[in-house]
Amino acid sequence: DQQVKQNSPSLSVQEGRISILNCDYTNSMFDYFLWYKKYPAEGPTFLISISSIKDKNEDGRFTVFLNKSAKHLSLHIVPSQPGDSAVYFCAASGRVQGAQKLVFGQGTRLTINP
Amino acid sequence: GAVVSQHPSRVICKSGTSVKIECRSLDFQATTMFWYRQFPKQSLMLMATSNEGSKATYEQGVEKDKFLINHASLTLSTLTVTSAHPEDSSFYICSARDFRTSGSSDTQYFGPGTRLTVL
Repeated sequence: DQQVKQNSPSLSVQEGRISILNCDYTNSMFDYFLWYKKYPAEGPTFLISISSIKDKNEDGRFTVFLNKSAKHLSLHIVPSQPGDSAVYFCAASGRVQGAQKLVFGQGTRLTINP
Repeated sequence: GAVVSQHPSRVICKSGTSVKIECRSLDFQATTMFWYRQFPKQSLMLMATSNEGSKATYEQGVEKDKFLINHASLTLSTLTVTSAHPEDSSFYICSARDFRTSGSSDTQYFGPGTRLTVL
């Protein structure tokens, strides 16, 4: 039962353009959402988050949008830079089976082409 | 801020031996730490939740006698893989929740991970 889904395993974007990574969730009890960036053989690095009471949060080149009615969130990176190439995981936080947990999507590998 | 370290970064061991992995929060206190496992090209799977001063809570399907977790202080949690076998080879990652932000804003900060290879 995949509660958090990232349906695009990979995405390729030209440098300077906008990268849009998508994430869907099924559990309406999730109340906090996060995006992490991960390089191979390293731990995930926290990028940006959004509370369920908001629909947008912006931090520099990164903006996260939340559509609660559609149970969908997206991460926009603009302009995209070569250093943005990595695997991006979205995660949802909420009480799962009685405990506060983070549930991760499968990840999307973003490649920024020069 | 919110730095989490993990040691060792890489370990190779023989089948049947035990391996201990340390996770430390360097600049904050973590009442709760988490242990994840990641197989190649897959997502992070939560193994257990470690609470300071109490027993860990294991996810379904994770053998608590095989993966021993100790969270003796607010800055240190350890995962011991006992009697390791080749199928335990994986990338193990810990995370810590900042005590000051515990609650609905559940931002977890991750360590760099430990690559375990069991021969």
